[in-house]
Amino acid sequence: DADVTQTPRNRITKTGKRIMLECSQTKGHDRMYWYRQDPGLGLRLIYYSFDVKDINKGEISDGYSVSRQAQAKFSLSLESAIPNQTALYFCATSERGGTGELFFGEGSRLTVL
Amino acid sequence: LAKTTQPISMDSYEGQEVNITCSHNNIATNDYITWYQQFPSQGPRFIIQGYKTKVTNEVASLFIPADRKSSTLSLPRVSLSDTAVYYCLVGDVDSSASKIIFGSGTRLSIRP
Repeated sequence: DADVTQTPRNRITKTGKRIMLECSQTKGHDRMYWYRQDPGLGLRLIYYSFDVKDINKGEISDGYSVSRQAQAKFSLSLESAIPNQTALYFCATSERGGTGELFFGEGSRLTVL
Repeated sequence: LAKTTQPISMDSYEGQEVNITCSHNNIATNDYITWYQQFPSQGPRFIIQGYKTKVTNEVASLFIPADRKSSTLSLPRVSLSDTAVYYCLVGDVDSSASKIIFGSGTRLSIRP
């Protein structure tokens, strides 16, 4: 089984719908991250969490919210999805911050019609 | 915040050595250089990290000159499976995650 698991892997939804992407990890890491990737571009940080009580905004947090339900679980929500949120979303974990090695999930491809 | 510049794309052939250079002119004293590899529809995977001189592991080598303003990822004897996007990141091990930037990377295509 993968160390970082994302569900769903693919989702098609309509404008205005609420969507939740879930991430769970077995690495035992305190630090978890949500990134967004658009075609041909690098990854952009949406939110990150250093522990259950710590949530931080990243570069592109507008339109998104997160919940850290437990050390192993970090979910990303789009309260009212819009077409320009169509992208590939990645969850990641790390043992330490900064340039500490990131362990990524396999991604969740979201299409908003 | 150290910005990095890499070639957008590179092509090579199986069995060749591939060198991808990353420029980071304003690298700070405490910054490390890290490279990730990303296959299509997969999350990036850590390849190698270094601070100065040369670092080698089972996958690649990382060459960093004395002034640390650039670095070169070297992939020995590439195969088709090395076709991927390679990202160069620069940052302090203690810096905030928000300061670690994934640029557009270098799209490496390996041909038979």
